Amino acid sequence: GAGVSQSPRYKVAKRGQDVALRCDPISGHVSLFWYQQALGQGPEFLTYFQNEAQLDKSGLPSDRFFAERPEGSVSTLKIQRTQQEDSAVYLCASSSSGQWASIYGYTFGSGTRLTVV
Amino acid sequence: AQKVTQAQTEISVVEKEDVTLDCVYETRDTTYYLFWYKQPPSGELVFLIRRNSFDEQNEISGRYSWNFQKSTSSFNFTITASQVVDSAVYFCALSEDNNNDMRFGAGTRLTVKP
Repeated sequence: GAGVSQSPRYKVAKRGQDVALRCDPISGHVSLFWYQQALGQGPEFLTYFQNEAQLDKSGLPSDRFFAERPEGSVSTLKIQRTQQEDSAVYLCASSSSGQWASIYGYTFGSGTRLTVV
Repeated sequence: AQKVTQAQTEISVVEKEDVTLDCVYETRDTTYYLFWYKQPPSGELVFLIRRNSFDEQNEISGRYSWNFQKSTSSFNFTITASQVVDSAVYFCALSEDNNNDMRFGAGTRLTVKP
C-alpha cells in the first residue's frame, strides 16, 4: 500500500482481556518495527523484524507481549491479559532497508490507541 | 547508553514568529544518526530530517533549519516564520550504528496561534 496501515485505530479492552493489533507495512518493505508511545512520551522500541525473522525483541516489556510476522509482510502484536499500564499508542513502522534499518529512518503508521479499563 | 533530551515540553508562539526546538543527545558511539519527526494530531510520525555524526553542516529546507553541534551534543531545529499548520509534537531521535533501537526524546508540543 501507499503507507503503513494499522488496525484497529482505537481499541478499548477490559483488564485481563487479550488483544491483537495489526500492521500492514508498505509493500516490499523488509524491516518492520513496533513501538509503544505512552501519553506525553516519545515512542519506545518494542521489537524488530527483518522479513519473517524477529531479530530483536529486547523492548517487549513482559512475556504477555508477543509479536509475529509469519509471511514477512503483515505483523500482529498480541498482548495477553491486558493491564492498565498497557494503555498507550502502539506504532508500527517499516523500512525498505535491511539490517540496521533504524539508521535510515522509517515510515510510521498512525498507530492503534489501546485503552485498558 | 543512548539518550535524547528535549527539555522544552511545550512552546507557544504567535504566527510568523521564529521558534527553536532544542535537542541534546548522549551516546558513546562515534557513528550515530540523528532525526527529527513531526507528529500532528492524526498521530503518525512524519520524517523531517536525518543527519549522520560525520556531517556537521547545518541544513535548511524552506522554513526549516537544523543546527548540529557535536561539541555540545545538540541538534536543534528552527522554524522560521511559523504557521498554524506547524502546530504538532516534534520528536528528536537517535540511532547508533549496529543497533535496531531508535531512541526518541519525550517531544516538544508546539502551538502556533493565529
